[in-house]
Amino acid sequence: LAKTTQPISMDSYEGQEVNITCSHNNIATNDYITWYQQFPSQGPRFIIQGYKTKVTNEVASLFIPADRKSSTLSLPRVSLSDTAVYYCLVGDRGTGGFKTIFGAGTRLFVKA
Amino acid sequence: DVKVTQSSRYLVKRTGEKVFLECVQDMDHENMFWYRQDPGLGLRLIYFSYDVKMKEKGDIPEGYSVSREKKERFSLILESASTNQTSMYLCASSWAGDPYEQYFGPGTRLTVT
Repeated sequence: LAKTTQPISMDSYEGQEVNITCSHNNIATNDYITWYQQFPSQGPRFIIQGYKTKVTNEVASLFIPADRKSSTLSLPRVSLSDTAVYYCLVGDRGTGGFKTIFGAGTRLFVKA
Repeated sequence: DVKVTQSSRYLVKRTGEKVFLECVQDMDHENMFWYRQDPGLGLRLIYFSYDVKMKEKGDIPEGYSVSREKKERFSLILESASTNQTSMYLCASSWAGDPYEQYFGPGTRLTVT
């Protein structure tokens, strides 16, 4: 199971674009990269998932370079309500012996 | 939208009591999961189930058991609650093809006194 490394915390201001990078140097060929968002006292919420290059949805974009050893979650024009913890997970979607490692995540604080 | 519900938002139990935490999902998902979340330790997987009556141990199964008699329902059982099981318990579900796209319930904050 690929280990991930993220910054512990980040600060931003409303209206800015925020990029959170996750390192996963030993990612395996069949591994996908998944990001979650968690607000205080709530369960995590699935944001986006990708395998390579770029994935975009209504919430965020995910950039994955060719070597796939890292990935960047991009949040366009953040607002105060984007203050949350963001988790990066890496794993094989088809693996029978599923294990989850959420890690500590990145605590994003958006200021007015 | 996927909906995952948990039987209680807050629960207070005494040491030694048997505790049942219930989780129900309405999306016909094959996979269901139980986590606990503690400050500084993140989310840790207790058990997961990939089919009715099937279960797999996660990272911290000691002191817990699970039951899945119906596809939509996954129960976490604390046979004899202890104070170190005071925590936030989160249930999640996903379809069989992607165990990493999980949908979480609101959580149950359990306090064992």
